[in-house]
Amino acid sequence: QSALTQPPSASGSPGQSVTISCTGTRSDVGYYNYVSWYQQHPGKAPKLMIYEVTKRPSGVPDRFSGSKSGNTASLTVSGLQAEDEAAYYCSSYAGSNTVVFGGGTKLTVL
Amino acid sequence: QVQLQESGPGLVKPSETLSLTCAVSGYSISSGYYWGWIRQPPGEGLEWIGNVYHSGSSNYSPSLKSRVTISVDTSKNQFSLKLSSVTAADTAVYYCARHGAYNSGWPFDYWGRGSLVIVSS
Repeated sequence: QSALTQPPSASGSPGQSVTISCTGTRSDVGYYNYVSWYQQHPGKAPKLMIYEVTKRPSGVPDRFSGSKSGNTASLTVSGLQAEDEAAYYCSSYAGSNTVVFGGGTKLTVL
Repeated sequence: QVQLQESGPGLVKPSETLSLTCAVSGYSISSGYYWGWIRQPPGEGLEWIGNVYHSGSSNYSPSLKSRVTISVDTSKNQFSLKLSSVTAADTAVYYCARHGAYNSGWPFDYWGRGSLVIVSS
């Protein structure tokens, strides 16, 4: 069971859109529609932003959206705002009652 | 509102056992859901450690399985983590969290604030 692969960094200007990828395998991301995304500001606990690939918990702005193609899931943040600057982590159910996280992507709002 | 709070020693000696407890309020563990532990070494990413159900049934990360025990105490509405034979590599912020519905892929919908544990002599 290996960690999911995310780019270490991403950036965009206010108002722009940015997409963060999360690559797994046929045993996790590719097999299950159970990808979640978390936002983490420095010194804070992660916050659930997306679950089941595309669903948003109550209170999460619709600027955040998720998708999946094959073994790669993606998080898109549209209309970037300063408060979106944070680290983003993907995770996936990996079978056999286990969960795997990605290495994280630091999003910078220029 | 579901709230989780980690507690335990902030300093553990190498080769000893790390022990943390997560107290849950606003929700009865006996009502359902799995309850999990996640850690984050300083400056690094998240790592899933394992989880436990109110029945005591538990699941662990394959990479930590030989050293981890997660248990639950429904009478106190809390669950605990024990990690044995620790080394400096186990230094991390340890979070407890609630897994959401299993048929939603177990997303972590409520998190504690985290507890920093340093392994050092």
